[in-house]
Amino acid sequence: DADVTQTPRNRITKTGKRIMLECSQTKGHDRMYWYRQDPGLGLRLIYYSFDVKDINKGEISDGYSVSRQAQAKFSLSLESAIPNQTALYFCATSDLSTGEGETQYFGPGTRLLVL
Amino acid sequence: DQQVKQNSPSLSVQEGRISILNCDYTNSMFDYFLWYKKYPAEGPTFLISISSIKDKNEDGRFTVFLNKSAKHLSLHIVPSQPGDSAVYFCAASGWGTSYGKLTFGQGTILTVHP
Repeated sequence: DADVTQTPRNRITKTGKRIMLECSQTKGHDRMYWYRQDPGLGLRLIYYSFDVKDINKGEISDGYSVSRQAQAKFSLSLESAIPNQTALYFCATSDLSTGEGETQYFGPGTRLLVL
Repeated sequence: DQQVKQNSPSLSVQEGRISILNCDYTNSMFDYFLWYKKYPAEGPTFLISISSIKDKNEDGRFTVFLNKSAKHLSLHIVPSQPGDSAVYFCAASGWGTSYGKLTFGQGTILTVHP
């Protein structure tokens, strides 16, 4: 079984709709992250959470919100989707106590298309 | 402001030869560097990392070199295999505003021809 799972894997929605992308992990890591990938731009950080009570904005948080429901669950919401939010979205986890530094482990991604 | 740059969008190499992927960074607070590999329809997978206290780290066919004075790192794959064909991302983290976060480069598409 995958350590980091994302649902849905693919989603098509319309402009103005609210959608939620979900991430779950069984690695027992404290830290969770949401990224988006666009062609030619690499991965850019949307939000991150160092523990259940800690939520921080990344470099491109406008138009997004997150919820850390439990140590293992971190959800990303698009309150009112727009076409330029069409992208690949990745969830990741890390834990400094593992001794692996800042190594992050990624889920399989969600491909989102906003029409 | 792109703090981590991979200036080669793509690289094509013959099977058995060496692949060299390059990455430059500008933030002097970065002190930990990673390489990730990504296949289509999958998430990035961790490949190898290096701390700023080292200048080289090896893991099998993969070696990462770090030149702190030039703010440059490279990933060497020897020998290259067709299964190595993927997108490779370098990433960096460090102190200050970089603490606990990874900053990624744009990625390099590696194609290894049989």
